[in-house]
Amino acid sequence: ETGVTQSPTHLIKTRGQQVTLRCSSQSGHNTVSWYQQALGQGPQFIFQYYREEENGRGNFPPRFSGLQFPNYSSELNVNALELDDSALYLCASSLKIDFLNTEAFFGQGTRLTVV
Amino acid sequence: KNQVEQSPQSLIILEGKNCTLQCNYTVSPFSNLRWYKQDTGRGPVSLTIMTFSENTKSNGRYTATLDADTKQSSLHITASQLSDSASYICVVSFQTGANNLFFGTGTRLTVIP
Repeated sequence: ETGVTQSPTHLIKTRGQQVTLRCSSQSGHNTVSWYQQALGQGPQFIFQYYREEENGRGNFPPRFSGLQFPNYSSELNVNALELDDSALYLCASSLKIDFLNTEAFFGQGTRLTVV
Repeated sequence: KNQVEQSPQSLIILEGKNCTLQCNYTVSPFSNLRWYKQDTGRGPVSLTIMTFSENTKSNGRYTATLDADTKQSSLHITASQLSDSASYICVVSFQTGANNLFFGTGTRLTVIP
């Protein structure tokens, strides 16, 4: 196991609602990246948090937001859910040393279904 | 343009047989190349990771090779098992930056009895 845990594992929400997904990073890691993976597609980068600050963002609207806490765990929040937000959401934990990336470890994912 | 392409897109093999999956990339400069196994609806699990100076890396029945000159990698699976049925993803990474992982399109492997 990677030591990266995500919760919940499955979630069903109604269009227009808000959702919060959680990720506990591996011990000693200071960086968390979030990805959206639609069925049959590769993961798409949402954003990365490094030492509690957003460190980069992909092509996702502002209704996708995040947080990183002092223990380096992280949350992904999505407001005003749309049907197309249905996907597997992955978080990846890594250690960034002087802005150099080490290997990322993925959580098991949260399967979000918007109806 | 930084890209990672994998072939074949899908593969069906008999249990006990060997198979080889291919990955070609144009990512440059790259830090390392990783092969992941992803079961449907689950997060990717790392099989091997190689830096540009490594040619081969094994993990049990999985052996990855890397040719940094031709920018090609392969993943060889020996004596396949039913539990090997999954998607196999090649991921090439930059050493720096936030969005530093470039994901391949994946190969869907199905092992049948």
